[in-house]
Parts: sequence; C-alpha cells; structure tokens
Amino acid sequence: EDQVTQSPEALRLQEGESSSLNCSYTVSGLRGLFWYRQDPGKGPEFLFTLYSAGEEKEKERLKATLTKKESFLHITAPKPEDSATYLCAVQATGYSTLTFGKGTMLLVSP
Amino acid sequence: GAVVSQHPSWVICKSGTSVKIECRSLDFQATTMFWYRQFPKQSLMLMATSNEGSKATYEQGVEKDKFLINHASLTLSTLTVTSAHPEDSSFYICSATAPLGRQETQYFGPGTRLLVL
Repeated sequence: EDQVTQSPEALRLQEGESSSLNCSYTVSGLRGLFWYRQDPGKGPEFLFTLYSAGEEKEKERLKATLTKKESFLHITAPKPEDSATYLCAVQATGYSTLTFGKGTMLLVSP
Repeated sequence: GAVVSQHPSWVICKSGTSVKIECRSLDFQATTMFWYRQFPKQSLMLMATSNEGSKATYEQGVEKDKFLINHASLTLSTLTVTSAHPEDSSFYICSATAPLGRQETQYFGPGTRLLVL
C-alpha cells in the first residue's frame, strides 16, 4: 500500500526565514510525485511534478527536490502570502490516482 | 490554462434531499475526473474515479448508490449526494487530468462546501 508522510504537521516562520518541508513516501513504483498548495476553503493548486530521483524544480521562492525515499519543498525567504497548507502526493506506476499526505500547514509572520 | 470549476461553491440543504455538484474543465478536455471529500484539518480522501462514457470506479467504503457520479462529456462530471444526511456534510473537491509533458496532472476545482441540516 502506498504511503505518504509529511513533516512537520505545522511550521511557523518569520518572514525571510528559509526552511524545508519533508515528504517521505513508499510506493511500489513511482510514476510521479506532486506538490500542491491549498489555501483555507479552496481546492489544491498545482505546484510541481517530479518524476525521478535527483530531479529539481523551482518556482519563485519554492524549490522541490526528489530522492528515492523522500521529497523536500524548500522555501527561500518566505513571505506572508506563502502561508498555506502544502500537500504532497504520489502516483504509482500504472495508476491514475494520487495518494496524499496529510499536509504541512505553513504560517509566515511579517 | 488547466482551469477547473465547480458549482455550486456552497450549498445548505435539509436532511433527506439530494444535492448535485457540477465539475467542469474549462479550457481542456479531461480524460479522467476524480471526486474527493475533505474533512476539517484533514487531507483529501479519494471517493471515485470517473472516465467519460463509462461507470465510475468507487473507492472502498464509498457507497455508490449514495454518491452518484455521471461523466457526461470530456468537460463535465457531476456528483449527486442522494438522500443527504448531516454526516454527509463536508468539503467536496473534484479534479481533472490534463496532459503535462509526459505525465497527466490533476488540476483541482475550488471545492463545494455541503452542509446538511
């Protein structure tokens, strides 16, 4: 059974204080690992897809990396508008469905 | 691109009534659509997968007679909660897959909040 564990559950940062969110996963065969951002009361917003170990992707202050067992979402010099819940999900080879982690709730204070 | 809409955004109904939620892909044709529900401070729970023109595949524990899914076209899927009860109150979110490079990515709608009184 595919499993996704995200840590920490919640993270409070000061504006400009860089940090990383972790997503550990077990999957029979990885087709893709996805990062989403979810604001309260809204649907998840797609951020990145990573396909293989060693791959990295960047978007503004966010950078996602992938190893064979985990993925990190690095947030550089965050701003209050980066406050949200960040969700990690994996898709197994041969399947179209996603298995989500419980998310990391990020709060960035000015 | 890859915009998914849902209607209504919120609905309040009396116990025993049925509620229909629409999910549309606005600027792409979706090969597959998914329906999730999310309880407060919890992650998304997949309810069912639907492909246009075929019966939906429901996850274990999801009552197919209670949560009716119709995927009428490549841009529209509907979820009907039949004979809704207070325990069906939740945040329902749909997603649709759009090709992104070599991988189909799920794009999510804004969600529908259902409150059953």
